[in-house]
Amino acid sequence: EVYLVESGGGLVQPGGSLRLSCAASGFTFSKYWMTWVRQAPGKGLEWVANINEGGSEISYVGSVKGRFAISRDNVKKSLYLQMNSLRVEDTAVYYCAREWMVRGVRSFDSWGQGTLATVSS
Amino acid sequence: EIVLTQSPGTLSLSPGERATLSCRARLSVSSSSLAWYQQKPGQAPRLLFYGASSRATGIPDRFSGSGSGTDFTLTISRLEPEDFAVYYCQQFHSSPYTFGQGTKLEIK
Repeated sequence: EVYLVESGGGLVQPGGSLRLSCAASGFTFSKYWMTWVRQAPGKGLEWVANINEGGSEISYVGSVKGRFAISRDNVKKSLYLQMNSLRVEDTAVYYCAREWMVRGVRSFDSWGQGTLATVSS
Repeated sequence: EIVLTQSPGTLSLSPGERATLSCRARLSVSSSSLAWYQQKPGQAPRLLFYGASSRATGIPDRFSGSGSGTDFTLTISRLEPEDFAVYYCQQFHSSPYTFGQGTKLEIK
């Protein structure tokens, strides 16, 4: 069974930094694209960033470009999100998810339970 | 970016009734690039459909997905108590991979 466990959330002041981690198990981590999705309190889902199997292809949503950095360690089977210059509007539960592609069709088929990052003074 | 608009925002129905949820894209997207998720309070989203109409593992056949171009539909033929949740569509046609704002399906 696929398991994704996020950690690293917490309370940080505006302008501060947090590093989120996602530990994967139950599948061959190095063979999958991985993604981060966030959800502000009481709001909908927002895709944040993704990374390909080897880490050479990365994409971000516009609102986090230049502030967030996604990375992965295939030996440690872990996904990371370094979040810098945090803003109040970055407050959200951050989910990591596995990107599943079959016959060219993409979806997020497995999700962690999320970690809450709160940006507040 | 591709904007997805879901309607209605809230749908109030009773168990046993049929639910029809809509997802409309501002630009045409390939049917292979549309997914649906279900989210219950305090839980992570769960994949329901990929490629607009392919049911994910373990999803009951009372759920069906359809559509193409700019109009997509999620149908639940006979609502069970566990189906009351928030439903999101998502497009993978182009980055950023946007979600709709969600439809809350509540018990009437």
